[in-house]
Amino acid sequence: GNSVTQMEGPVTLSEEAFLTINCTYTATGYPSLFWYVQYPGEGLQLLLKATKADDKGSNKGFEATYRKETTSFHLEKGSVQVSDSAVYFCALSDRGGYSTLTFGKGTMLLVSP
Amino acid sequence: ETGVTQTPRHLVMGMTNKKSLKCEQHLGHNAMYWYKQSAKKPLELMFVYNFKEQTENNSVPSRFSPECPNSSHLFLHLHTLQPEDSALYLCASSQGLDREAPSGNTIYFGEGSWLTVV
Repeated sequence: GNSVTQMEGPVTLSEEAFLTINCTYTATGYPSLFWYVQYPGEGLQLLLKATKADDKGSNKGFEATYRKETTSFHLEKGSVQVSDSAVYFCALSDRGGYSTLTFGKGTMLLVSP
Repeated sequence: ETGVTQTPRHLVMGMTNKKSLKCEQHLGHNAMYWYKQSAKKPLELMFVYNFKEQTENNSVPSRFSPECPNSSHLFLHLHTLQPEDSALYLCASSQGLDREAPSGNTIYFGEGSWLTVV
């Protein structure tokens, strides 16, 4: 079956530090990959996605590249802000029709001033 | 506005109560989902509806009863819940089964309903 593994948190950084949150996956076929973000007290928001190998998803300064050879989709940001503090979820979905996402457990990011 | 609206945002109910969670999507989608988010656990898919037909039920206890009267609305009826059912319940929607999705459908979430069972 499909599975997603994320690094355990919390990740604690100072403002303007470089961020990496690791994500690796196991899937049959060629899944689409997603990062969702959940701010305190809110639901999940799509942050970025990539649909095929070597695609790079980007949004709000965050980036992730679909690496088929290493089955990874690591999230990066060059300079984090306090407002980036949230829980980040890596997910995958099988292609075609409606989708059912398989989520990782989430990684909490705490950014201090 | 998120496009997927859930009510109520917060609900406290006793174990003998009957209540319902409501979800409405304004995105023209045809698939809707209920997910459960508990502390320190991955998000759990509960139910999937595609064009108003239930297509997945992930071994959810019968005290949770979904209803999808049309493609825009989804309910989760709750009765005789247990304290361990306390969680954030997330509704989501996406394109439906009749759409070509070579790049994979994106799922859009509501803000969730926080449920506390006492």
